[in-house]
Amino acid sequence: AQKITQTQPGMFVQEKEAVTLDCTYDTSDPSYGLFWYKQPSSGEMIFLIYQGSYDQQNATEGRYSLNFQKARKSANLVISASQLGDSAMYFCAMREGRGSNYQLIWGAGTKLIIKP
Amino acid sequence: DSGVTQTPKHLITATGQRVTLRCSPRSGDLSVYWYQQSLDQGLQFLIQYYNGEERAKGNILERFSAQQFPDLHSELNLSSLELGDSALYFCASGDSSSHSYNEQFFGPGTRLTVL
Repeated sequence: AQKITQTQPGMFVQEKEAVTLDCTYDTSDPSYGLFWYKQPSSGEMIFLIYQGSYDQQNATEGRYSLNFQKARKSANLVISASQLGDSAMYFCAMREGRGSNYQLIWGAGTKLIIKP
Repeated sequence: DSGVTQTPKHLITATGQRVTLRCSPRSGDLSVYWYQQSLDQGLQFLIQYYNGEERAKGNILERFSAQQFPDLHSELNLSSLELGDSALYFCASGDSSSHSYNEQFFGPGTRLTVL
């Protein structure tokens, strides 16, 4: 079974509109973390935002916010006031457990294209 | 700049050959992770080293091996290369004491093309 599901393979959004990228996850571990990374066409992986399973508030980082709905096991990324430079692949990933020997489990990604 | 360096940036080689990819983690990070990303795909975790020891293994082929040296840099060795090994190989580092949620910092990647 997929542990991280990103249901939107691609999205077109008008510049300056808000964007929501979906991510659902599956885990039985009470301690986990959720990450969003951006991968522009140049290839590098850029960390955007993190949400811990015990965090009481939704994470925010500038124009990025995470809509964390624990009961529904969803961790959607919201980008406000989209810009042309936001065009990229976006990956959701999950860390299970704690400690030094963990790995990130990745979704298939969503290709976001911002239209001028 | 994440602070993680990878060399070389690009590598073109022939089937059957062997290559070595190198990664230097961020200062203070003890863990190194290797990932493979094929065309327009998500990342596949290959292997993790922590302070010189193998800690976790993912979908790593037997033709591939890795190690982490005492100075914490790591090398990924790919042998008997096949066309399907063409991919972007990322190294990431983490476990810095300054980050409580174990974010992984990615290097720029090595793009391997097998002809």
